[in-house]
Amino acid sequence: DQQVKQNSPSLSVQEGRISILNCDYTNSMFDYFLWYKKYPAEGPTFLISISSIKDKNEDGRFTVFLNKSAKHLSLHIVPSQPGDSAVYFCAVFMDSNYQLIWGAGTKLIIKP
Amino acid sequence: EAQVTQNPRYLITVTGKKLTVTCSQNMNHEYMSWYRQDPGLGLRQIYYSMNVEVTDKGDVPEGYKVSRKEKRNFPLILESPSPNQTSLYFCASRPQESDEQFFGPGTRLTVL
Repeated sequence: DQQVKQNSPSLSVQEGRISILNCDYTNSMFDYFLWYKKYPAEGPTFLISISSIKDKNEDGRFTVFLNKSAKHLSLHIVPSQPGDSAVYFCAVFMDSNYQLIWGAGTKLIIKP
Repeated sequence: EAQVTQNPRYLITVTGKKLTVTCSQNMNHEYMSWYRQDPGLGLRQIYYSMNVEVTDKGDVPEGYKVSRKEKRNFPLILESPSPNQTSLYFCASRPQESDEQFFGPGTRLTVL
């Protein structure tokens, strides 16, 4: 049973608009929530994270929102740019076991 | 340049022929990890290491071995590869106090 789910395999957004990527998790004990971005033929790169004691974290065009009661995480990209086209993975982390658990990824396509 | 390197980047082999994928990091990170990425499944952890001589199984360790004799190196060994180990493999490292992992470029393995 998947502990982290990204239900949209792909998402297409017009350049300049907002991209919203979603992630749901099952275990309320997770301590940290991360987003990674992956281009073809490269390893994932860290994008932004949030700890369970916060509900929002912002870094430039990227904002991550955490709704603990709904066990839901989202990444907002505003405004979306062509270079944002990539696969986005959410990952969750528990302090007690140091393991990252990953979602299946969402392919974001930014249309010019 | 701070980085995680993996070799080889691409490998085609046959069932049963032992192989090793090397991973090296130059950031003095304590934690290192191996993942495999398969379509629709995201990244799944194979093995991880908290420090030298300390290794633990991840979610999918069957058919793999690792060793951590030095801090910078964390090789992944397939003693008798099988076709179901055809996948894209990523090595990652992070410092003990951080949740941000740095990934290598990936190794695409095909087992015929």
